[in-house]
Amino acid sequence: EDKVVQSPLSLVVHEGDTVTLNCSYEVTNFRSLLWYKQEKKAPTFLFMLTSSGIEKKSGRLSSILDKKELSSILNITATQTGDSAIYLCAVNHFGNEKLTFGTGTRLTIIP
Amino acid sequence: DAGVIQSPRHEVTEMGQEVTLRCKPISGHDYLFWYRQTMMRGLELLIYFNNNVPIDDSGMPEDRFSAKMPNASFSTLKIQPSEPRDSAVYFCASRTERGRLTDTQYFGPGTRLTVL
Repeated sequence: EDKVVQSPLSLVVHEGDTVTLNCSYEVTNFRSLLWYKQEKKAPTFLFMLTSSGIEKKSGRLSSILDKKELSSILNITATQTGDSAIYLCAVNHFGNEKLTFGTGTRLTIIP
Repeated sequence: DAGVIQSPRHEVTEMGQEVTLRCKPISGHDYLFWYRQTMMRGLELLIYFNNNVPIDDSGMPEDRFSAKMPNASFSTLKIQPSEPRDSAVYFCASRTERGRLTDTQYFGPGTRLTVL
């Protein structure tokens, strides 16, 4: 059975800090890994990663995939209170269109 | 584009009543997914459709749950009869099978269901 594990489950930091969120997975026929941000409503798409070692970047957020280690990290630099959210990692694999989600990391930024 | 549209946004009902949740996917998207999110279990896939055809309903909890997609722009998720343990946020998501980000699912705002 496909499995996605995120760590830490919860993280509280001060504004301006840098955080690293982790996602590890066990899936057969891996195809892609996606990161979503969920505030009070629907998950919103951040990144899709398919190739190892290639960093995706959007402003203060960046993410990279390591297929050898079956993991991905999401970095947020110079955090702001607006970054407070649950960050979800999900994986997709060939032969099935399902996304398997991790339970998420709840990030809280203290002003 | 309006994004994925869901209705109602909130639903409060009594145990035993029928509940119908509605979803309009993004125009042109080929896949539609129904999820349920709870604190205990996180985000769980219930069922997904491809070109209006149900492909995998293995996540549907039991026979009380049913889903239909009569056309490319509309889907329903029905719970009959509803039970308190069905209380959750139900999301609909859609995606295309064309383009660079084909695996990316776009989520609607969700329906918060409370069964008393």
